[in-house]
Amino acid sequence: DAGVTQSPTHLIKTRGQQVTLRCSPKSGHDTVSWYQQALGQGPQFIFQYYEEEERQRGNFPDRFSGHQFPNYSSELNVNALLLGDSALYLCASSSETGYQETQYFGPGTRLLVL
Amino acid sequence: GQNIDQPTEMTATEGAIVQINCTYQTSGFNGLFWYQQHAGEAPTFLSYNVLDGLEEKGRFSSFLSRSKGYSYLLLKELQMKDSASYLCAVPLSVGKLQFGAGTQVVVTP
Repeated sequence: DAGVTQSPTHLIKTRGQQVTLRCSPKSGHDTVSWYQQALGQGPQFIFQYYEEEERQRGNFPDRFSGHQFPNYSSELNVNALLLGDSALYLCASSSETGYQETQYFGPGTRLLVL
Repeated sequence: GQNIDQPTEMTATEGAIVQINCTYQTSGFNGLFWYQQHAGEAPTFLSYNVLDGLEEKGRFSSFLSRSKGYSYLLLKELQMKDSASYLCAVPLSVGKLQFGAGTQVVVTP
């Protein structure tokens, strides 16, 4: 049973560029959440996708956008990259039951903006 | 949102016990999660407490007091592989977690 997978594992970009990160949820999961984790900090919620729509959003600017595909996989796009966007980007998946479900995290994509 | 506080770092020796405290302030409560995160890796689920009391899972136990806004994670019979960051997280809504900054546990021989 495959867990949550993410690609790429590492990425280096320069300021002003755009980046796309990808996530495939754990088998049987239909909800994907994205988090940003700066060094030495806990993950910060970016947004969540369910049924191909953004359902909840954290306190992140519009430069951060996403998409969910019919197979439940998801992409996170960040435009006009800033140095402060350097972080570990984590994808977490869960099942939509209407109740609080455990989220399972992927290995993350480490983004470095120069 | 929530205010979640946990100590930055704790050090203990192999075989010992360590208790990681987490306090939170909330206007609503939907349970509390603990995750373990090794350096450079994804957080892995340890426990989810909704009701008051202690839940034991092998060497790890988690306690919750909703009236006090307090939880702790107890690690027993520490092993070197337990050196990691331990994250306390509270759901702001279904599927939206707010994490503490994490407690780095260092296990020494």
